[in-house]
Amino acid sequence: DSGVTQTPKHLITATGQRVTLRCSPRSGDLSVYWYQQSLDQGLQFLIQYYNGEERAKGNILERFSAQQFPDLHSELNLSSLELGDSALYFCASSVEAGGAQYFGPGTRLTVL
Amino acid sequence: AQSVTQPDIHITVSEGASLELRCNYSYGATPYLFWYVQSPGQGLQLLLKYFSGDTLVQGIKGFEAEFKRSQSSFNLRKPSVHWSDAAEYFCASSSGTYKYIFGTGTRLKVLA
Repeated sequence: DSGVTQTPKHLITATGQRVTLRCSPRSGDLSVYWYQQSLDQGLQFLIQYYNGEERAKGNILERFSAQQFPDLHSELNLSSLELGDSALYFCASSVEAGGAQYFGPGTRLTVL
Repeated sequence: AQSVTQPDIHITVSEGASLELRCNYSYGATPYLFWYVQSPGQGLQLLLKYFSGDTLVQGIKGFEAEFKRSQSSFNLRKPSVHWSDAAEYFCASSSGTYKYIFGTGTRLKVLA
């Protein structure tokens, strides 16, 4: 158990819908990262937050957004969902930006 | 630009044999380097990390990695592989601030 929690574990929704994925980092970790993993794209870095502020952006679509709240939990919002958005979404946290990351168990999103 | 290359997509070894997974990085300064392991359907787990100092790093599950600046490599090794080591292995580097790069992964198969 990494100490990082993600909810929900599974999510099934339809195209065009909007979903919110939630992540709680390990106690004391200030940095939160979001990743998308699919069979054809591999592990893709989406976005990073550090103590509430956005620090780095990767291959995140404009339909996706995220935020980190004062209690350090983070949410990833995915809107206008497409079939190709079906993937595993991982959250990770670290004490410092650029340090060792601890991954949550992931949220498996299925878009029908 | 910072990059991480794992030249082997798949590797198959027999149980009890030694293992070496290759990782090459590209970065102007000495990066922070990491190896992660991912079992099917699970999140990534940190195996070991290198920040500075001794170039031979010991990790969990009997793994070790050696940082070689002259070769820009950070290869992962294990003297005797167990069937439970079958998984996907990711090398990653960080600039120490926020930019975190993962390699494309090496899938390890272990033959009984």
